Amino acid sequence: QVQLQESGPGLVKPSGTLSLTCTVSTGSMTGYYWGWIRQSPGKGLEWIGVVHNTDSSFYNPSLKSRVTISLDMSKTQFSLNLTSVTAADTAVYYCAGSLSISAAGFAYWGQGTLVTVSS
Amino acid sequence: SYVLTQPHSVSVAPGKTASLGCAGKNIGGKSVHWYQQKPGQAPLLVIYSDSDRPSGIPERFSGSNSGDTATLTISRVEAGDEADYFCQVWDSSTDPVVFGGGTRLTVL
Repeated sequence: QVQLQESGPGLVKPSGTLSLTCTVSTGSMTGYYWGWIRQSPGKGLEWIGVVHNTDSSFYNPSLKSRVTISLDMSKTQFSLNLTSVTAADTAVYYCAGSLSISAAGFAYWGQGTLVTVSS
Repeated sequence: SYVLTQPHSVSVAPGKTASLGCAGKNIGGKSVHWYQQKPGQAPLLVIYSDSDRPSGIPERFSGSNSGDTATLTISRVEAGDEADYFCQVWDSSTDPVVFGGGTRLTVL
């Protein structure tokens, strides 16, 4: 069973960079799409982006200029960097995994971590 | 960008059947996934690829997809089914991953 766990600061200053890491408890990250999804308080789900070990990546066009998602296969981790944050980026951030981004959905989710953007 | 529209809320009595819709242009030509989210928890995949159930999901959960509407059907609804439900598709032409706004299912 694949398990995911997010980690990172719960508070980020405006204009700063939000950085989160997701640790994956599986022997290999190969063959999966790994990504990030966020949920503002009381709101719906917003997809941020996904990456694959083949260097394939897809990002939400509305966030693409500020987002980087990278894999560290040796540590079975992947990370999210979101630059130039504002209060609108305050949300619960989930890391998630999928065997097929088109046909399988996100079967694996972390518990989520709340990130607040405030001075 | 591709848009998925879900009703804000649906109410159903215990033991009855709940039908949750997800509308999108020609959604029948896409693969639809459904997630259940209870308060304070991460989403849980309950249906993938229109109508397949992941291991551990009760048979009471089923899905269909045709034309401009996909539907999640929950039979013999239980109090524990009360949650928010989100549909999601992959649209390679615009925003690759799209979520619907979610439907809150209330069990009366």
